[in-house]
Amino acid sequence: DIQMTQSPSSLSASVGDKVTITCRASQGINIYLAWFQQKPGKAPRSLIYATSTLQSGVPSRFSGSGSGTDFTLTIDSLQPEDFATYSCQQYNTYPPTFGPGTKVEVK
Amino acid sequence: EVQLLQSGGGLVLPGGSLRLSCGASGFSFSQYAMSWVRQAPGKGLEWVSTITASGDNIYYSDSVRGRSTISRDNSKNTLYLQMNSLRAEDTATYYCGKAWGAISKYIDNWGQGTLVTVSS
Repeated sequence: DIQMTQSPSSLSASVGDKVTITCRASQGINIYLAWFQQKPGKAPRSLIYATSTLQSGVPSRFSGSGSGTDFTLTIDSLQPEDFATYSCQQYNTYPPTFGPGTKVEVK
Repeated sequence: EVQLLQSGGGLVLPGGSLRLSCGASGFSFSQYAMSWVRQAPGKGLEWVSTITASGDNIYYSDSVRGRSTISRDNSKNTLYLQMNSLRAEDTATYYCGKAWGAISKYIDNWGQGTLVTVSS
């Protein structure tokens, strides 16, 4: 199975900050990397697929980049509603695997 | 608007069975793969199973293979997950998800989740 790691596991930030989260796959996954946002007690929300394509309705302050094994989620100008946990997922091969998540907290 | 309405969770004894349902609306259900993903309390997301649009191809995680069966009824726009021989480690919130395409593993829309608790 492809293992997904994320760094950091948590971070503290303020509204207006630029936030960067890194995701690494244990082997190459082409561009088949997705990002999800989840708030406590809520279902995940799909943000980005194919490394950098924003899901419909996702604000443009979210962006994704990377290739092969190393990927990044960036949030430009963090907004109050962005405090949440972010998880990456590879869907290049079965089984699809998720990263452990990065919690973005209020500084 | 895509809507996925889940039902069927609850408390079950170890060794027991449960069937989860996921009713879909707002899209052509028969044209999209569907998946189940679970999340144990305080833990990350874990993929459970995927069924392609036609139902011809089915995939399971090692953790549920042989104990769970994913199925779909395209005439009822409903996805199912039959879970048998449940264990304490199956305790989780289960989410159904609509895939991006007929065979895709990427989930673009999620159900609200249903809690399954396996305990005596």
